Amino acid sequence: KQEVTQIPAALSVPEGENLVLNCSFTDSAIYNLQWFRQDPGKGLTSLLLIQSSQREQTSGRLNASLDKSSGRSTLYIAASQPGDSATYLCAVTINFNKFYFGSGTKLNVKP
Amino acid sequence: GAGVSQSPSNKVTEKGKDVELRCDPISGHTALYWYRQSLGQGLEFLIYFQGNSAPDKSGLPSDRFSAERTGGSVSTLTIQRTQQEDSAVYLCASSRVRGQETQYFGPGTRLLVL
Repeated sequence: KQEVTQIPAALSVPEGENLVLNCSFTDSAIYNLQWFRQDPGKGLTSLLLIQSSQREQTSGRLNASLDKSSGRSTLYIAASQPGDSATYLCAVTINFNKFYFGSGTKLNVKP
Repeated sequence: GAGVSQSPSNKVTEKGKDVELRCDPISGHTALYWYRQSLGQGLEFLIYFQGNSAPDKSGLPSDRFSAERTGGSVSTLTIQRTQQEDSAVYLCASSRVRGQETQYFGPGTRLLVL
């Protein structure tokens, strides 16, 4: 069974720092990997989707990379802001219809 | 356009009762997913619908859980004889094409079984 692990579980940084969130998965035969953010009391917001054939995706201050062979993905957040405070989840898709989520990294960006 | 909507937003029920949770996906999205997030746990995949095909029920935790999707649109997740361990946030998501595109999530239904 696919296991998805996110490190660290929690992270607190001062505003303006660049930071990296890590996601690892045990089975490299993934179809795609997606990063989400979850705000308290709200649903998930999709941030970036990386297909298995891609190495990275960028959106604004966010950059996600994917290394299938090593079973790793990183989410890079540049110039962090207090509004970035949330829980960040990564999820992998297997065979179109199996989805596995990590337990998330809770990010706190201090003003 | 409108996003994924779920109802109710909160549900408190007594152990042993049945509950129904509703999901309205984004119009035109053929794929629909149900997940749950228990306190302190990661998201857990429950069931997946693609168009009018038979759903993938492999993630349902027990036979007390069932789901249906009428007309390829609205979906209902039913939990029979609820147990306290069923307490969780139940999230629904939809995407245009199965597995290939971004999933858009609803706000969730917070279920508390007393």
